[in-house]
Amino acid sequence: IVMTQSPLSLPVTPGAAASISCRASQSLLYGSGQSYLDWYVQKPGQSPQLLIYLGSRRASGVPDRFSGSGSDTDFALNISRVEADDVGLYYCMQARQTPLSFGGGTKLEIK
Amino acid sequence: EVQLVQSGGGLVQPGGSLRLSCAVSGITFPSSAMSWVRQSSGKGLEWLSVISGSGGTTDYADSVRGRFVISRDNFKNILYLQMNRLQPDDTAVYYCAVPGAPTLPDYVEGSVGVRRPYGMGVWGQGATVIVSS
Repeated sequence: IVMTQSPLSLPVTPGAAASISCRASQSLLYGSGQSYLDWYVQKPGQSPQLLIYLGSRRASGVPDRFSGSGSDTDFALNISRVEADDVGLYYCMQARQTPLSFGGGTKLEIK
Repeated sequence: EVQLVQSGGGLVQPGGSLRLSCAVSGITFPSSAMSWVRQSSGKGLEWLSVISGSGGTTDYADSVRGRFVISRDNFKNILYLQMNRLQPDDTAVYYCAVPGAPTLPDYVEGSVGVRRPYGMGVWGQGATVIVSS
């Protein structure tokens, strides 16, 4: 499954909203209508961290400024009020089937 | 607290072998599927392999199938990645990760298997592998 993210780069003013899009080449739905789509962020010099799983569920400790939406093949990660600490590379990943596959990444930077 | 501590990275010549380890604590290791993911310099993330809690089921990315072997020791709580016939393209930072980790609010131990290993909630610190002559 090919995962396509946009934009490649996302400059955002602190306090503004941001949105990253992710499209899958096949449906990520399985079972009881769950979409097997995760969102990760990799901050500079760190290991990736899970933000969202199963399309819209927030991982523990993730601020509610972060939300995931979408279903089937089209998804979005929304950040309601961007903070300086949100800088990093954001990846979507499909877990509908192996081999798992990641999007190419979106670099969020602060204006 | 769940912790994954990696070791075993280093410099190896093309055609050589290396074994990575990932020591796991804070979870019931035999109940947890485990994955390996890598990241080449300046590039994105690439999923490599997954293994079931019992170790009886494994799967690989095409790029490493037949060269890399994932395994685990459920007595020592250690995950391994044996990498053979290494090539310069394998130069990367390698991460171990736990799908369906306890960091997921609706986590149910053992509920995430190898077929759909979603929600990698805990990651190791990464191990650098450089393949060069």
